[in-house]
Amino acid sequence: SQTIHQWPATLVQPVGSPLSLECTVEGTSNPNLYWYRQAAGRGLQLLFYSVGIGQISSEVPQNLSASRPQDRQFILSSKKLLLSDSGFYLCAWSTQGGNEQFFGPGTRLTVL
Amino acid sequence: GIQVEQSPPDLILQEGANSTLRCNFSDSVNNLQWFHQNPWGQLINLFYIPSGTKQNGRLSATTVATERYSLLYISSSQTTDSGVYFCAGTPSYSGNTGKLIFGQGTTLQVKP
Repeated sequence: SQTIHQWPATLVQPVGSPLSLECTVEGTSNPNLYWYRQAAGRGLQLLFYSVGIGQISSEVPQNLSASRPQDRQFILSSKKLLLSDSGFYLCAWSTQGGNEQFFGPGTRLTVL
Repeated sequence: GIQVEQSPPDLILQEGANSTLRCNFSDSVNNLQWFHQNPWGQLINLFYIPSGTKQNGRLSATTVATERYSLLYISSSQTTDSGVYFCAGTPSYSGNTGKLIFGQGTTLQVKP
């Protein structure tokens, strides 16, 4: 069966520091991968998606970037965090063709 | 872009009561899904229901794609049903990317 992992689970970072969040998927090959962010009390907003290694599409202009160095690894990064980057970050995967999505446990990021 | 409206935004039920949650889309969507977000933030897949009706225990869902809405039915509610319920769909114009657009959620509280 397929599983999706995210780490770290929680993170507290100062403004201006770098960021690296990791997501890995097991039990499937060539998945579509997605990064979403959830602000407090709100719905989820798609940040990036990837249909293959090195292929990244950005949905909203922002302070973040994404990379996919391996088939089942998706990384969310920032060079300098802003207060507004605080939130709950969720990674998701689906099969090629973009059908049902499955979400990881999330990373709760607080920028102080 | 596409708008996803969920109603009601908040719902308080007595244990054992039934309820219906609604999700309206402003444009055609594919890959419609319902999720339950637990207190730890994990998104639990309830239904993948692009069209038609599905049932899983006390929960059932119906999507009428031609009229751009979906309903989630909860029967004989239990305190463990409490949490936030999200619907999400992929705009038809997004092709096979699988990008999900989320509603703002319905917050359900079931009282014993």
